[in-house]
Amino acid sequence: AQSVTQLGSHVSVSEGALVLLRCNYSSSVPPYLFWYVQYPNQGLQLLLKYTTGATLVKGINGFEAEFKKSETSFHLTKPSAHMSDAAEYFCAVSDTTGANNLFFGTGTRLTVIP
Amino acid sequence: DTGVSQDPRHKITKRGQNVTFRCDPISEHNRLYWYRQTLGQGPEFLTYFQNEAQLEKSRLLSDRFSAERPKGSFSTLEIQRTEQGDSAMYLCASSSGLVDTQYFGPGTRLTVL
Repeated sequence: AQSVTQLGSHVSVSEGALVLLRCNYSSSVPPYLFWYVQYPNQGLQLLLKYTTGATLVKGINGFEAEFKKSETSFHLTKPSAHMSDAAEYFCAVSDTTGANNLFFGTGTRLTVIP
Repeated sequence: DTGVSQDPRHKITKRGQNVTFRCDPISEHNRLYWYRQTLGQGPEFLTYFQNEAQLEKSRLLSDRFSAERPKGSFSTLEIQRTEQGDSAMYLCASSSGLVDTQYFGPGTRLTVL
């Protein structure tokens, strides 16, 4: 079975500071991992994904994440926060053996302080 | 715009009424998913179509819920005899392959009074 744990339901950073959003996963098969961002009253937009290959994945808007199998982690980082990064962020792991549906964490709300 | 679209964006209904939502996926995508998102939670999988075939349903999908994708294009999700616990955002996503990215629509927010 697949599951995701996101540590910290709320994270606040100052504008220009490092963003670190934590995600740990559980999967019985090699995982496919995703980060999505959700702005208020909108659907989810893919930031980045890991399927196979290079463990450091670069996404849109300057975000990146590193797959660490030994730590079962897929933390999301951005070197310098921008006001427009304020949103809800969801980590997800995919069921790769059936419908390929996504199992989401409970989300982390990022606040950027000017 | 060739993204996933959902209609309506908001629906307010009284308990016991039936509601139907529509999802139009990206045109070349053969896979279509429905998720439900309640306040403060991540989306939860409800059901999945490959073309017109409904191949998987979550245990969250009670007998009051039914989904169709009659021609392998748009899909509808119907909730019969709505309950207050059905209040949520209903999200639709589509993809074109086994590990392809799921693209999400803007969602339909349902409020059951």
